[in-house]
Amino acid sequence: GDSVTQMEGPVTLSEEAFLTINCTYTATGYPSLFWYVQYPGEGLQLLLKATKADDKGSNKGFEATYRKETTSFHLEKGSVQVSDSAVYFCALRSYGSARQLTFGSGTQLTVLP
Amino acid sequence: DTAVSQTPKYLVTQMGNDKSIKCEQNLGHDTMYWYKQDSKKFLKIMFSYNNKELIINETVPNRFSPKSPDKAHLNLHINSLELGDSAVYFCASSQTGEGGELFFGEGSRLTVL
Repeated sequence: GDSVTQMEGPVTLSEEAFLTINCTYTATGYPSLFWYVQYPGEGLQLLLKATKADDKGSNKGFEATYRKETTSFHLEKGSVQVSDSAVYFCALRSYGSARQLTFGSGTQLTVLP
Repeated sequence: DTAVSQTPKYLVTQMGNDKSIKCEQNLGHDTMYWYKQDSKKFLKIMFSYNNKELIINETVPNRFSPKSPDKAHLNLHINSLELGDSAVYFCASSQTGEGGELFFGEGSRLTVL
């Protein structure tokens, strides 16, 4: 079945540091891939997505590239801010998967001033 | 206007009680979901409805009963609450044929004492 593996957290960085959160997946066919962000006390918000191989999703300075050869969708940001502190979830949706998203376990990011 | 709204946001109750959580979306989507998020932030799909019909019913105790009176509403009723039901329950919606992303409500935190 479908699965998503994210790097274990928590991750603590200083402001302006470079961020990478690793995400790899197992799925049948060619899934769509997503990163969601959950700020404290809030629901999940879509951060970015990619629907086919080599697509790059980007938003708010975050980027992730759909790598079919390595089945990966790593999240990166060049310079994090304190306001980026949140839990980040990688997710996939397989074609024909009854539309549900399968989520990774989430990675807690804390950015210190 | 909130796109996906859940009520109540917080629910504290005793073991053995019955409670309901309501969800409404004003995005015109045809599919709605319930996800459970445990204390470690792990998200698990519980149910999904498409145009009022149940399409996903994961291994969830039959004490949990979803109900979709129309495609804009998906409610969750829980009978005989147990300590292990304590979690945050998220409602979400999506539209068939579009990008595949889900739009989430802010969550309903259920605490069973």
